[in-house]
Amino acid sequence: DIQMTQSPASLSASLEEIVTITCQASQDIGNWLAWYQQKPGKSPQLLIYDATSLADGVPSRFSGSRSGTQYSLKISRLQVEDIGSYYCQQAHSNPHTFGAGTKLELK
Amino acid sequence: EVQLVESGGGLVQPGRSLKLSCVASGFTFSNYGMNWIRQAPGKGLEWVAYISSGSSYIYYAETVKGRFTISRDNAKNTLYLQMTSLRSEDTALYYCARRSSYSGYFDYWGQGVMVTVSS
Repeated sequence: DIQMTQSPASLSASLEEIVTITCQASQDIGNWLAWYQQKPGKSPQLLIYDATSLADGVPSRFSGSRSGTQYSLKISRLQVEDIGSYYCQQAHSNPHTFGAGTKLELK
Repeated sequence: EVQLVESGGGLVQPGRSLKLSCVASGFTFSNYGMNWIRQAPGKGLEWVAYISSGSSYIYYAETVKGRFTISRDNAKNTLYLQMTSLRSEDTALYYCARRSSYSGYFDYWGQGVMVTVSS
């Protein structure tokens, strides 16, 4: 199975700060990578797919990038509504594994 | 509006069975693959099972293979997960999630249904 190593496990940041979360794939997955946001007590929501494409309705302060087998999610100016957990997921091969998640809190 | 509504969860003893349901609305259910994904309390997401639109392709996580069975009834717009030989480690919030038409991403999720396995 493909392993997705996500970091950091938790992150404390201030409003308007730039936030970056990374995922390292254990093998080449191309651009088959998604990011999900899970707000407290809610279901996950698709944020980014194909490593860099924003899902419908996602604010432009979110962006995704890829460098080899490392993938990053960037929030350019943290807002209070961005607080929650974030997960990466590879869609290259079954099983479609998730990263362990990053819990984002306000400083 | 796409809606996925799970039901059937509850408290069950180890070794017993439980069947989850997920009723879909707001889209043509028969055109989409569907998944079950679970989240243990305070933990991350774990994909559990997938079924293609016409039930031709079915996949399971190794942790549930041989114990869980995913199925669907396209006439009833309903996805199922039959869970047998339940273990304490199966305790989780179970989500049904639609596979995007484009690839193996999960573009819509239900609100989840809680399964607690305990004596």
